[in-house]
Amino acid sequence: AQRVTQPEKLLSVFKGAPVELKCNYSYSGSPELFWYVQYSRQRLQLLLRHISRESIKGFTADLNKGETSFHLKKPFAQEEDSAMYYCALSTYNQGGKLIFGQGTELSVKP
Amino acid sequence: DTGVSQDPRHKITKRGQNVTFRCDPISEHNRLYWYRQTLGQGPEFLTYFQNEAQLEKSRLLSDRFSAERPKGSFSTLEIQRTEQGDSAMYLCASSLGQGLEKLFFGSGTQLSVL
Repeated sequence: AQRVTQPEKLLSVFKGAPVELKCNYSYSGSPELFWYVQYSRQRLQLLLRHISRESIKGFTADLNKGETSFHLKKPFAQEEDSAMYYCALSTYNQGGKLIFGQGTELSVKP
Repeated sequence: DTGVSQDPRHKITKRGQNVTFRCDPISEHNRLYWYRQTLGQGPEFLTYFQNEAQLEKSRLLSDRFSAERPKGSFSTLEIQRTEQGDSAMYLCASSLGQGLEKLFFGSGTQLSVL
């Protein structure tokens, strides 16, 4: 069965420090990986997806199939990055549904 | 278009009562998903529709849960004989359904069963 694991419930860093939010998945095929973000009092929204290979708000994520990981990184955290981050997996034969990890709360302190 | 709309935002009910939630997706989106989220967890998939057809239901969706999307537009999720364990945030999302398009989420309905 597909599974997404985010080992850290809370990650606290100071402004300007590097950030890495970990995500590991289990799936034997070729999944599509996403990072969704939920800012305070806002709805869940897409941050980035691995197939796009883009950088959004300074965040990047690389799919490592050997380690089955899709860690989210940013070199210099900003206070406005404080939010809940969810890693999610989807597959082409499942109608686009997403399987989410438990989420990591990122807190960036001034 | 203001995005995915869910109603009500909050619902408090007594155990054993029936509740119904509504979701209005983005107008041209043919796929509609329901998720449930409890405190400290990520959203859990419940069911999804492509147009009016319900294509998949999670094992989480007991017989007390039923979802409809009669005209392929809005959807309703009904919970019969609510239990305290049903207390959660119920999220709706929609997508264009062309492969793995990104999902647009609503703000959710927070259900509290007393």
